[in-house]
Amino acid sequence: DAGVIQSPRHEVTEMGQEVTLRCKPISGHNSLFWYRQTMMRGLELLIYFNNNVPIDDSGMPEDRFSAKMPNASFSTLKIQPSEPRDSAVYFCASRTRDSYEQYFGPGTRLTVT
Amino acid sequence: AQKVTQAQTEISVVEKEDVTLDCVYETRDTTYYLFWYKQPPSGELVFLIRRNSFDEQNEISGRYSWNFQKSTSSFNFTITASQVVDSAVYFCALSEQGGSEKLVFGKGTKLTVNP
Repeated sequence: DAGVIQSPRHEVTEMGQEVTLRCKPISGHNSLFWYRQTMMRGLELLIYFNNNVPIDDSGMPEDRFSAKMPNASFSTLKIQPSEPRDSAVYFCASRTRDSYEQYFGPGTRLTVT
Repeated sequence: AQKVTQAQTEISVVEKEDVTLDCVYETRDTTYYLFWYKQPPSGELVFLIRRNSFDEQNEISGRYSWNFQKSTSSFNFTITASQVVDSAVYFCALSEQGGSEKLVFGKGTKLTVNP
């Protein structure tokens, strides 16, 4: 079975540009999580969805960040406008409703110049 | 509030040595789950193990073993006869059943196994 798929794997953009990160969870998984990893803050949860519904977005840094899950097989994380401090690795993870382990995608390394 | 502490920032060993990675957690829930993940230099996060709070039985999987002790709120990870391929950052994480379903991660321990 395919694991969690993320695209792009690397993104370099200029400050002020819009950035969209994409995630396809493992088929059959109904919870999806977006995390951000930085040297300073480590791994932190941004938002998660259960059955395509956002449950907890308290980790979203500010209004420049938004996430959607239009269906069970696709989610996006958008940053508009991007800033240099958004540079990080963004991970998407998914799990089944009755299992607590999350399976992570390969991550998207975002660099904002 | 939930918190995970991995006091060891970096550990360096020589191949074939045994090494233990420490993890201490804080939670108010009586039902919770503990995890270990491995992040090799390639960057992906690989799930290693999950334990629930009601199961204090230690677990062994090949060269890996985990020691869960509720009395000290610790969930330590031991690699026996370490190999160069074990070099990675290892993260301990906690999830509370009663609250948010999110994983709260420790800062990670970077393990370097030298030949």
